[in-house]
Amino acid sequence: DTAVSQTPKYLVTQMGNDKSIKCEQNLGHDTMYWYKQDSKKFLKIMFSYNNKELIINETVPNRFSPKSPDKAHLNLHINSLELGDSAVYFCASGGGSYEQYFGPGTRLTVT
Amino acid sequence: GQSLEQPSEVTAVEGAIVQINCTYQTSGFYGLSWYQQHDGGAPTFLSYNALDGLEETGRFSSFLSRSDSYGYLLLQELQMKDSASYFCAVRGGNNRLAFGKGNQVVVIP
Repeated sequence: DTAVSQTPKYLVTQMGNDKSIKCEQNLGHDTMYWYKQDSKKFLKIMFSYNNKELIINETVPNRFSPKSPDKAHLNLHINSLELGDSAVYFCASGGGSYEQYFGPGTRLTVT
Repeated sequence: GQSLEQPSEVTAVEGAIVQINCTYQTSGFYGLSWYQQHDGGAPTFLSYNALDGLEETGRFSSFLSRSDSYGYLLLQELQMKDSASYFCAVRGGNNRLAFGKGNQVVVIP
């Protein structure tokens, strides 16, 4: 059983398009996160939801909009994609303690 | 704000010991975590220190000195499968993790 899953694994799209990445966790955790990892492997938090409520919202362009329909799902929608959005996006979940469980990542390439 | 410093790359032979250092500056500190990431893979949790001292988990140990804003990860009896990037991460409020830039460890036969 996959603990944290993301779809799609790879996403190639053109500038200006809108795309979504989906994340699901079956660990029963209350908190989910989105991270962005750039080409230099720098991993930075973008958003966090606790039981469907937004609790962390870093300085991210408002083209990025997270949505949590329930505590097991956290999706990320990106409008008007730009070249600089190319990165690997990781979803993660946590049960309130220090350990976070990461999904396999979605490699987004904007051309 | 938070900032973390980690050296970038180290190469070591199988069976060797490698120490990866991490210094941090942060306005809110709950603990220091370490994550491992293989190429193309996801970060996976290795260890966590909330208090000063050494935590040992098998071949890996992690140390924290809060007064020095410093920690390290010690990899012992290196194996080829340990070739990966290692990240320290400061845990802040709301379980926010601020990651360092990572340290690439390359293990050679």
